[in-house]
Amino acid sequence: DAGITQSPRHKVTETGTPVTLRCHQTENHRYMYWYRQDPGHGLRLIHYSYGVKDTDKGEVSDGYSVSRSKTEDFLLTLESATSSQTSVYFCAIRQNSNQPQHFGDGTRLSIL
Amino acid sequence: AQSVAQPEDQVNVAEGNPLTVKCTYSVSGNPYLFWYVQYPNRGLQFLLKYITGDNLVKGSYGFEAEFNKSQTSFHLKKPSALVSDSALYFCAVRDMGSGGGADGLTFGKGTHLIIQP
Repeated sequence: DAGITQSPRHKVTETGTPVTLRCHQTENHRYMYWYRQDPGHGLRLIHYSYGVKDTDKGEVSDGYSVSRSKTEDFLLTLESATSSQTSVYFCAIRQNSNQPQHFGDGTRLSIL
Repeated sequence: AQSVAQPEDQVNVAEGNPLTVKCTYSVSGNPYLFWYVQYPNRGLQFLLKYITGDNLVKGSYGFEAEFNKSQTSFHLKKPSALVSDSALYFCAVRDMGSGGGADGLTFGKGTHLIIQP
């Protein structure tokens, strides 16, 4: 498996609280991605990064922010969590344009 | 905008029979196409990709996929199914010309493949 670690693996929190998910890679890949997986929707892109401090929005970015201060770490923050953000969150990395993305094992987030 | 359709929520196949999981796509330019497999409580595992070249692409675990530009399809196939192939399969696309190469993938909703002993 690609060297991708997501933390935490499971989290339960309350509406209105801030939440930060971490993705750590040991592959030194340039591109990193955050997706959410929901039944009936497949995976949807939240944000992505194409280098340190270089990020952009994906399809479902509202309510989320990201930061990448080092090549190896990509953080996803829910500033004020809502129940609609209950989901499984996946981080992915990619080396270059022609290569596939490789995924972490996900974080299951429940917002009560 | 790009999109992917996986028309079957579930496909049931007897062990030893050939299997097909269908995928059609829509992009404005030329596509990069991918198949991934997901086992319970795990991330997605890459199976195969089409970038350019031969329309028949071979991948991991005996899977292959055929790119058909006129039908905008990229169906996943395997000649002889195994019970261990039972999982959730995702087709994904990216437009070659989009986002300077940084864009993420657009996924289909997934197809549950069930192989019956």
